[in-house]
This record gives sequence, C-alpha cells and structure tokens, in this order.
Amino acid sequence: AQSVSQHNHHVILSEAASLELGCNYSYGGTVNLFWYVQYPGQHLQLLLKYFSGDPLVKGIKGFEAEFIKSKFSFNLRKPSVQWSDTAEYFCAVRPYSGAGSYQLTFGKGTKLSVIP
Amino acid sequence: NAGVMQNPRHLVRRRGQEARLRCSPMKGHSHVYWYRQLPEEGLKFMVYLQKENIIDESGMPKERFSAEFPKEGPSILRIQQVVRGDSAAYFCASSLDSRVDNQPQHFGDGTRLSIL
Repeated sequence: AQSVSQHNHHVILSEAASLELGCNYSYGGTVNLFWYVQYPGQHLQLLLKYFSGDPLVKGIKGFEAEFIKSKFSFNLRKPSVQWSDTAEYFCAVRPYSGAGSYQLTFGKGTKLSVIP
Repeated sequence: NAGVMQNPRHLVRRRGQEARLRCSPMKGHSHVYWYRQLPEEGLKFMVYLQKENIIDESGMPKERFSAEFPKEGPSILRIQQVVRGDSAAYFCASSLDSRVDNQPQHFGDGTRLSIL
C-alpha cells in the first residue's frame, strides 16, 4: 500500500517569503501525484497534478511542484507567498494502474500561515 | 463552488442516532468517492461507487457504515448508531472516469459530523 509523508505540520512565513513544502511517498510502481489546498471551511481544491512528462509542473496561483523520481518526492514551491495563501496543503498520490488506482492517499497536511 | 454538493455542511448527532450524509456529484460525473478526515489527519479513502454499484469499500468500517449511489438522486453515506469516534469531516469527490488520466477527483465542501 502506498503512503504519503508531509514533513512540516505547520509553517509560518511572512508575506513575500519563498515557500517549499516537502512531500515524500512510498509506492513501488508508477504514480500520479497531486497537491490540494484547503482554505478554512472550504473544499479541497486541486493546485496541480503530475501524470507524466516534464517533472516540473506549474499549477494555479503561482504554485509549482517538482517530481524527483529517485527521491520519491513531490515538493511544492512558490517564490513569494501572499496572505491569501494561508491554508492547509495536502499532498496526495494515486497508483497509475492496477488495484486501487482510483484511491487517493493523502498526507496529513501542512498548515501554512502567512503573516502580513 | 466546486460543483460537488454535499449536505448538510454540519451535522450534530447524539450517540446511538443515525447520520445520513448526502453527496451530489458534479454534472456528468458518474464516479463518487467518500473520504473521512479525522482531526489532525489527512483524508482517508472509504468507498468508491458508480451508479448503483459499490466498486470498492475497502476503507469502510465493517460495521455501522454503508454507502449507496442510486440510479436517481445523490450518493448517501449512512452511519448507524453513531459513536464519538465517528466525529470527523466527511468529504465526497466525483470524477468523470476513475482512470482517465486527465480526470482528477473534484471535492465537495464536506460534512462536519459532531457526536455529542
């Protein structure tokens, strides 16, 4: 079974600081990778996804993530955060094929607080 | 508005009562997934349904929990004889096709269930 580890439980940054949130997964096969964001009291929104091709993927709101296969990592980055980025961020993985290939496995989430 | 409609947003039940959570998928989506988010945890897969069929319920507790997705109407997650440990946020997601690569799961706002 796959698992996802997010290293930081809570990150506090000042506006304009750079952001990098770590995500590592364990799974023996090919995976699809996702980052979701959850603003307070709202639904999960898809920030970006990786299926294949260029390992550097760009998402909405200036976010990007890099898939490093050798490290089983899919870290989320943003060069300059804004107060409106305050939210909880979830990394998720899904097997590319086979049994359970529709099941998303989520990390525990990282709460980001951006101070104006 | 993500398009996946869940209701109610908040549900309070006393121990021993039944809880019914409803989910209407996005228009045109025929695949529904239920996830549970316990406090300080990531989302955990519970069940995957297509119209009138349960495809995978491997994440569902063996007792008291059931799910359906009838031909007409929303998907229902039912919890009978609720206990305090059932307190959580329950999220529904839908997709056009579970395995088409460019069809990620879209999430609803969730139902926050509180057991008194």
